[in-house]
Amino acid sequence: AQKVTQAQTEISVVEKEDVTLDCVYETRDTTYYLFWYKQPPSGELVFLIRRNSFDEQNEISGRYSWNFQKSTSSFNFTITASQVVDSAVYFCALSPTHGAGSYQLTFGKGTKLSVIP
Amino acid sequence: DVKVTQSSRYLVKRTGEKVFLECVQDMDHENMFWYRQDPGLGLRLIYFSYDVKMKEKGDIPEGYSVSREKKERFSLILESASTNQTSMYLCASSPIPGTDEKLFFGSGTQLSVL
Repeated sequence: AQKVTQAQTEISVVEKEDVTLDCVYETRDTTYYLFWYKQPPSGELVFLIRRNSFDEQNEISGRYSWNFQKSTSSFNFTITASQVVDSAVYFCALSPTHGAGSYQLTFGKGTKLSVIP
Repeated sequence: DVKVTQSSRYLVKRTGEKVFLECVQDMDHENMFWYRQDPGLGLRLIYFSYDVKMKEKGDIPEGYSVSREKKERFSLILESASTNQTSMYLCASSPIPGTDEKLFFGSGTQLSVL
């Protein structure tokens, strides 16, 4: 069974502050994918990143960075110098890379981020 | 760009009605999914389909059925709507595993059952 835990339900930060969204996962699969999605107020989930379990290299994309630590089963997401447009619900998700389950993602419950001007 | 279109943004129905939620994707994706999103519960998978006329139950299929007669269209059916089915419904599609493993989502349908 797979499980994704996002312990932070809601976070509020002041614009330009850095913020880290936590994600902890459980899986018995030896290889898997981890994802982050953003859901702005418009409702459509937007893909941010996919990480394969064998690649523990951290990734940076502009103000976004991701820290994958297999030893602690965590895949945390940091926004540097937050902006009001970053206000959204962020979901972490997990899927196997093989087998029937690779068709579907298991999502965490989401973290609502509010960036205050 | 991939586009996943859900026919209605908001829908209000009465208890006991049969409800159809429609979803169309334009990128020839094999896989399509229906999720339900509720506050504090995140996204939960209702049904998915990996090919035309094929369907698989997700985590919460009770009270729902699906139809996939054409590759681009995936319908979610509430046979007899109940108030506990008031929710945001999200449709998604993806290509076959081994190509581009990510889901593309529609904007969602907020269904209220009165």
